[in-house]
Amino acid sequence: KQEVTQIPAALSVPEGENLVLNCSFTDSAIYNLQWFRQDPGKGLTSLLLIQSSQREQTSGRLNASLDKSSGRSTLYIAASQPGDSATYLCAGSGSWGKLQFGAGTQVVVTP
Amino acid sequence: KAGVTQTPRYLIKTRGQQVTLSCSPISGHRSVSWYQQTPGQGLQFLFEYFSETQRNKGNFPGRFSGRQFSNSRSEMNVSTLELGDSALYLCASSLGRGENTEAFFGQGTRLTVV
Repeated sequence: KQEVTQIPAALSVPEGENLVLNCSFTDSAIYNLQWFRQDPGKGLTSLLLIQSSQREQTSGRLNASLDKSSGRSTLYIAASQPGDSATYLCAGSGSWGKLQFGAGTQVVVTP
Repeated sequence: KAGVTQTPRYLIKTRGQQVTLSCSPISGHRSVSWYQQTPGQGLQFLFEYFSETQRNKGNFPGRFSGRQFSNSRSEMNVSTLELGDSALYLCASSLGRGENTEAFFGQGTRLTVV
């Protein structure tokens, strides 16, 4: 059974600092690793999808890496802004698109 | 391009009642998945439908059921509601084939059982 862990559970940084969010998973036989952002009371916004054959994906200030052998993914957010404050979730995709989520990292970026 | 639409956004129901939630996926997407989100348990997978067939099911009691229509719209039903069913219910749509299974979520339905 796939288990996904996110560390740290919460993070507070001053504006401009780079963010590093960690995600680990137990089953290396995942298809994809997807990162999401969730604002309070809202749905999930897809940030990046890393397919199993890829090692990283980039979008603007975001970069995510995937190391299946070690069971880890890392999301980097460069030059953080107050608008980056949210909960960030990673999810591994297994059979038939079922996503197994971590508990999330709550990020606060202070001006 | 329209996103995933969930209706209604908010619901208040009484214990013992039943409820139906609706999800319209992104046009062209044939897979719809449902998730329950609570502060204590986080995001938990309920079930996934692809081309009107349930392909995968999570560990929830039989009171939770769903279906998918020929236009890929999906409904989720919860019967005999319990207080613990209060949660944010999220649906996700994807193409559902192979590795290109990026999931896109709706805004959710907030269900409160009183």
